[in-house]
Amino acid sequence: DTGVSQNPRHKITKRGQNVTFRCDPISEHNRLYWYRQTLGQGPEFLTYFQNEAQLEKSRLLSDRFSAERPKGSFSTLEIQRTEQGDSAMYLCASSLAGQLNEKLFFGSGTQLSVL
Amino acid sequence: AQRVTQPEKLLSVFKGAPVELKCNYSYSGSPELFWYVQYSRQRLQLLLRHISRESIKGFTADLNKGETSFHLKKPFAQEEDSAMYYCALLPSGGYNKLIFGAGTRLAVHP
Repeated sequence: DTGVSQNPRHKITKRGQNVTFRCDPISEHNRLYWYRQTLGQGPEFLTYFQNEAQLEKSRLLSDRFSAERPKGSFSTLEIQRTEQGDSAMYLCASSLAGQLNEKLFFGSGTQLSVL
Repeated sequence: AQRVTQPEKLLSVFKGAPVELKCNYSYSGSPELFWYVQYSRQRLQLLLRHISRESIKGFTADLNKGETSFHLKKPFAQEEDSAMYYCALLPSGGYNKLIFGAGTRLAVHP
């Protein structure tokens, strides 16, 4: 599968623990996005990278959240001191900038459950 | 405020019936509008975008700026159309910071 890959698929953690998710975008894609989706809602934008630079962070992304894309390839999203309200599907997506009709490709997501 | 509204959580139709999934948006500029689809156990994927003015899998959507709507239509629903459909808006900005609606589940019954 050469699409966007996310690991793990599922994560169950206790409140207060730290968690880290990984996203591997499509190899030639230079843009990478993180979205969050809660039950009954559509995805909400969290943050965006162009190559290794994080160019925008949503107000949804509290100080407990940090995302990196150190070499402009894979990205990690870390949540510190998890809260029950962090329970959601975390989606990663990638795209290639500069294409006519630039298209976003989504991963399968990481489902986080905070107990 | 930038917002996408999909008023129906569930739309249930019989095979062969026409389908219209409603989407209304709130945006002060000239938006790009999209429909994304998620089939059971599959990833979210782009179905169509208004600037392409294309028909994908028999679905079409017309941007109506006067009514701020972008409804998705298909004249004859098929069982394989059953899925979650999300309308999304792209504000001007040059990258895919999409604003999604809450989604409508389409169930097509035999």
